[in-house]
Amino acid sequence: SQTIHQWPATLVQPVGSPLSLECTVEGTSNPNLYWYRQAAGRGLQLLFYSVGIGQISSEVPQNLSASRPQDRQFILSSKKLLLSDSGFYLCAWAGGLSNQPQHFGDGTRLSIL
Amino acid sequence: GDSVTQMEGPVTLSEEAFLTINCTYTATGYPSLFWYVQYPGEGLQLLLKATKADDKGSNKGFEATYRKETTSFHLEKGSVQVSDSAVYFCALSETSGSRLTFGEGTQLTVNP
Repeated sequence: SQTIHQWPATLVQPVGSPLSLECTVEGTSNPNLYWYRQAAGRGLQLLFYSVGIGQISSEVPQNLSASRPQDRQFILSSKKLLLSDSGFYLCAWAGGLSNQPQHFGDGTRLSIL
Repeated sequence: GDSVTQMEGPVTLSEEAFLTINCTYTATGYPSLFWYVQYPGEGLQLLLKATKADDKGSNKGFEATYRKETTSFHLEKGSVQVSDSAVYFCALSETSGSRLTFGEGTQLTVNP
């Protein structure tokens, strides 16, 4: 069966520090991969999605970036964090066919001080 | 573009009460529809889905019927439990690819 792993589960970072969140998927090949952010008490905001290695689409211009160095690895990064980057970050994967459900990781709670 | 509108929360019910969370959508094509549930501090879990008009998705006592004529996908459960307390998200998929459009979520609290 397929599984998705995100780490770390929680992270506290100072303003201006760099960020790297990692997401890996097991048990499937060529998944579509997604990064979302969820602010407290709010819905999900799609940040990036990827349909293949090295292919990244950005939904919201900001100081975050994403990379997909391997088929089942998706990384969210920032060179310099802002206070507004605080939130709950969720990674998800889906099969490549149309109308497929997405499957989510357990999320990373990021707090910026 | 595609959009999903959910009933505003929070919703507070007593145990064994009947639950309805309304969801309506706008889409240019023929999307699939989903309900996700998020328990406190966790990621989203797929609760149920429906891929075409008149399909009924069901899981764990929850049901939702894909109504194309009213562009709705309301979530129902006949008798809620305290353990159902969570945030519920309605979502649709674009007809090409697997990107999802989510509603804003509805917080459900069930009291004993």
